[in-house]
Amino acid sequence: QVQLVESGGGVAQPGGSLRLSCAASGFIFSNYGMYWVRQSPGKGLEWVAFIQNDGSKKYNADSVKGRFTISRDNSKNTVYLQMNSLRTEDTAVYYCAKEIVYYASGTYYDWGQGTLVTVSS
Amino acid sequence: QSVLTQPPSVSAAPGQKVTISCSGSSSNIGNNRVSWYQQLPGTAPKLLIYENNKRPSGIPDRFSGSKSGTSATLGITGLQTGDEADYYCGTWDSSLSAGVFGGGTKLTVL
Repeated sequence: QVQLVESGGGVAQPGGSLRLSCAASGFIFSNYGMYWVRQSPGKGLEWVAFIQNDGSKKYNADSVKGRFTISRDNSKNTVYLQMNSLRTEDTAVYYCAKEIVYYASGTYYDWGQGTLVTVSS
Repeated sequence: QSVLTQPPSVSAAPGQKVTISCSGSSSNIGNNRVSWYQQLPGTAPKLLIYENNKRPSGIPDRFSGSKSGTSATLGITGLQTGDEADYYCGTWDSSLSAGVFGGGTKLTVL
């Protein structure tokens, strides 16, 4: 069965950096697009970034553009989210999610359990 | 303010039916497929409906989805107390080149 396991969350200072990882198993990772989605405390879901199956296309939310970078290593079945210039408003649970196709259709078929990022001084 | 509009809350009695609406525009719902997610308290979201009206394996047929124009609807019949959760609609916005979600609807089973 599909498993998505996020790691790398924790506490960071404003202006700091963190790198999240999402290890995937149970499916042919290189065939599917992958997402990062976040949820601030008590708030709704917010799409953060998408990467196509071969890494050729990437999209970021305006709220993280220029600060966050999504990448993937198909040899390691892992997708990453490099987060720089962190702000307090980036505090959230970050989920990785699997698409149903290789491109962005906006369908989050499987989800990880999430990793908490807290940005605070 | 979310790109997709959902009612903040809905409620109904056990055994009854409820519908949750999701309104968008031609750049998102109008030209892309809609999915629905259930988020139980303290857990990750789970896919309920994809491609407007398809159910993943394991999702009971009490859950249904439909789409018309720039709006979509999630229906839940035979309500159970275990259905109390937040429900989100989502799709891709072709103009924004961005994933979009509704603000979420809290379902209370009275």
